[in-house]
Amino acid sequence: QVQLVQSGAEVKKPGASVKVSCKASGYSLTSYDINWVRQATGHGLEWMGWVIPNSGSTGYAQKFRGRVTMTWNTSISTAYMELSSLRSEDTAVYYCVRVFNNEFDYWGQGTLVTVSS
Amino acid sequence: EIVLTQSPATLSLSPGERATLSCRASQSVSYYLAWYQQKPGQAPRLLIYDASNRATGIPARFSGSGSGTDFTLTISSLEPEDFAVYYCQQRSSWRTFGQGTKVEIK
Repeated sequence: QVQLVQSGAEVKKPGASVKVSCKASGYSLTSYDINWVRQATGHGLEWMGWVIPNSGSTGYAQKFRGRVTMTWNTSISTAYMELSSLRSEDTAVYYCVRVFNNEFDYWGQGTLVTVSS
Repeated sequence: EIVLTQSPATLSLSPGERATLSCRASQSVSYYLAWYQQKPGQAPRLLIYDASNRATGIPARFSGSGSGTDFTLTISSLEPEDFAVYYCQQRSSWRTFGQGTKVEIK
């Protein structure tokens, strides 16, 4: 069955970078877009951007441009999201999501990133 | 950026009652609107796509309507497992989410 398994929780200092991985199984990573969404504790969902493994194309929400990079490694069916210049407001659970027929059908389990000095 | 505004923020209802949730877009998103349900500690789940189409496995008590800037999610008769937070999301121009509506037990 389709699964998206994300890397474990991270604790980072302000100004550092974090790279979250998302390993896909049960389907070919290159067949579907991957989006990234984050959620601060007790808050709503915030869309960050997408990567299309098949074409190499990426698109980022304006808020994150210049700080986020989304990549993939086809050989290991893994997508990555790297966020730099971290600040306390970046503390959140980060989700990778598969896009099927334009909609978010499968979600990873989430990765908690804590930014604290 | 298209802003989605959901109302009310919280809806207090009893099991068996009808729930009506609203999502208003700052500009037309045509029918490119989806609804998601999220329970505590879980990832969101797709309920409705393209404004009115139920996703696979979603019970018939969930229905969506609207187009342009005004959309509604209706739960015809609340079941205990329906108490959760609901988000709308548009894909007309990039993607954005509404801030969510919490459906709580009265």
